[in-house]
Amino acid sequence: EDQVTQSPEALRLQEGESSSLNCSYTVSGLRGLFWYRQDPGKGPEFLFTLYSAGEEKEKERLKATLTKKESFLHITAPKPEDSATYLCAVERGSYIPTFGRGTSLIVHP
Amino acid sequence: GAGVSQSPSNKVTEKGKDVELRCDPISGHTALYWYRQSLGQGLEFLIYFQGNSAPDKSGLPSDRFSAERTGGSVSTLTIQRTQQEDSAVYLCASSLSQGDYEQYFGPGTRLTVT
Repeated sequence: EDQVTQSPEALRLQEGESSSLNCSYTVSGLRGLFWYRQDPGKGPEFLFTLYSAGEEKEKERLKATLTKKESFLHITAPKPEDSATYLCAVERGSYIPTFGRGTSLIVHP
Repeated sequence: GAGVSQSPSNKVTEKGKDVELRCDPISGHTALYWYRQSLGQGLEFLIYFQGNSAPDKSGLPSDRFSAERTGGSVSTLTIQRTQQEDSAVYLCASSLSQGDYEQYFGPGTRLTVT
């Protein structure tokens, strides 16, 4: 059974304080790992897809990396508007994603 | 262009009643997914459509749940004889095709079963 574990469950940062969110996974034959951002009361918003170990993707203050066992979402010099829940998901070619429970990030001004 | 829309945004129903949730995907998107999100839980996959076909229905929690998609567009998720444990936010997402994980999500329908 595919498993996705995200840590920490919650993270509080000061504005400008860089940090990383972790997504560890157990899946046979990973096809892709995906990161989404979800604001309260809204549906998730797509951020990145990573397909193979060593791959990196960047978008503004966010950088996602992938190894054979985990992915990191690095947040550099975060701003209050980066506050959200960040979701990680994996898929192994069945077109059915398995999501983690998310990391709730709060960035204080 | 318009994004994914869902209706109703909120639904309160009594235990035992049937409910229908609607999803209107982005025009031209052939893949449509339904998920359920309970408080503090991740997204739980329910079913997906490629065109009008549902290749995998294994995520549906019980036979009280069903879904259909017509004309390769609008989809309806029906829950019969609702139970309190069905209370959750039901999210719909669409993408250009199955396997395309740049999915666009709707705002969700919050279902409360009393």
